[in-house]
Amino acid sequence: DGGITQSPKYLFRKEGQNVTLSCEQNLNHDAMYWYRQDPGQGLRLIYYSQIVNDFQKGDIAEGYSVSREKKESFPLTVTSAQKNPTAFYLCASSRGARETQYFGPGTRLLVL
Amino acid sequence: RKEVEQDPGPFNVPEGATVAFNCTYSNSASQSFFWYRQDCRKEPKLLMSVYSSGNEDGRFTAQLNRASQYISLLIRDSKLSDSATYLCVVNIVLTGGGNKLTFGTGTQLKVEL
Repeated sequence: DGGITQSPKYLFRKEGQNVTLSCEQNLNHDAMYWYRQDPGQGLRLIYYSQIVNDFQKGDIAEGYSVSREKKESFPLTVTSAQKNPTAFYLCASSRGARETQYFGPGTRLLVL
Repeated sequence: RKEVEQDPGPFNVPEGATVAFNCTYSNSASQSFFWYRQDCRKEPKLLMSVYSSGNEDGRFTAQLNRASQYISLLIRDSKLSDSATYLCVVNIVLTGGGNKLTFGTGTQLKVEL
C-alpha cells in the first residue's frame, strides 16, 4: 500500500536530549513537510523540502533540524535547543510544491 | 490578526441537521483552499478542495468568496460519523517556489442522536 509512515507513534525525551522522528513515504512525492500541532492552535510549519538534498525553514524552525538524503525519507531531529518540544508532530508529502499535501499518522513527543 | 480564522465551536447538532462552517483568511495572495477533517488524536485528512465556482461532494458543499476572503463548508444531513474537527486550509505559493499551507485552528463538530 502507498502511504506515509511515521515512527515512533509516541516518543519520550529527557531534558537535554536530541531525538529524531522518522518520516517515510512511498508515494514518489517530491515535496515533504514537517508540522507541529499544539492544543488550541493550528498546524505550524517547521521545515519543508521540495527536492532531495534541499530544504527550507518554515515558521518555527528554531531548535529543529532535518535532512533529505533520499526522496522517500525526511527525518526531523528535535534538539535540546527546542525548549518546548511537547507536541504532536505531523509529516506530510505532496507530488509537487503546489499539490495537495497528505499526512502521516503523526508522532506524539513528550518531555520527561 | 490570524492568517486563517475559524470559529472553534463546538457545534453540537442533531443527526440529520445541516451545519455550516465559515473561515476567513488575511493574505490576498492565497491561491488555493482546502477543507481537511481531523479526528481526535489523528492526522488531518483532505476532505475537499475549494474552487472559485463552488463545488459539491455528496453531502458536502464548499464555497469561496475571493473578494471577501471567505470560505465556507456546508454539511447536509449530518451523520454521527461526521463528528470531527474541520480545518480550513489556505495555500500560498512562496517566492522561492515552494508552497505553504496555513491552517486554521479548526471548528469542532459533534453530531448527536
